[in-house]
Amino acid sequence: AQSVTQPDIHITVSEGASLELRCNYSYGATPYLFWYVQSPGQGLQLLLKYFSGDTLVQGIKGFEAEFKRSQSSFNLRKPSVHWSDAAEYFCAVGAGNAGNMLTFGGGTRLMVKP
Amino acid sequence: EPEVTQTPSHQVTQMGQEVILRCVPISNHLYFYWYRQILGQKVEFLVSFYNNEISEKSEIFDDQFSVERPDGSNFTLKIRSTKLEDSAMYFCASRVQGPNEKLFFGSGTQLSVL
Repeated sequence: AQSVTQPDIHITVSEGASLELRCNYSYGATPYLFWYVQSPGQGLQLLLKYFSGDTLVQGIKGFEAEFKRSQSSFNLRKPSVHWSDAAEYFCAVGAGNAGNMLTFGGGTRLMVKP
Repeated sequence: EPEVTQTPSHQVTQMGQEVILRCVPISNHLYFYWYRQILGQKVEFLVSFYNNEISEKSEIFDDQFSVERPDGSNFTLKIRSTKLEDSAMYFCASRVQGPNEKLFFGSGTQLSVL
């Protein structure tokens, strides 16, 4: 069965600093990979996704992620964090029929210091 | 951007009672999902629904759960006899077609079983 691990439960960065959130997955086939963000009281918003092709994917809000098959990783990055980026971030792998079923990691809560 | 709407935002019920959580997916979407997140735990897949039938379901989705699309706009999750451990945030999601399309999540219904 597929699984997703986000090793960092909490991360605090200063505004303007770079950010990398880690994600490791376990899946037997080529995965569909996603990053979602959840702000308090809000639903899950898709930041970016990887299905195939270029292993560096660009998303919304200046985020990007790189798929590394050899490391089973899909880390999320942003070169300069804004205070509004404070939220919880979830990595997910799509499995089942045509990637129908998402398996989520435990999430990383990002705090941004002024 | 179009939205998936969930009502109510918070529902309190007594153990053993039936509860129906309601969702209005985006109008041209064809695939519908329910996920849940128990406090402090991962977001978990419950069920996917396409062409008026369940396409996939997880082990969590036992006989106490059912889904329905009673008309052209609503998508409901029914829990027949709620248990304390059903307390969670329940997210509805929808998308147009397969995994190449973006999955839109609602903002969730917080279910509290007393």
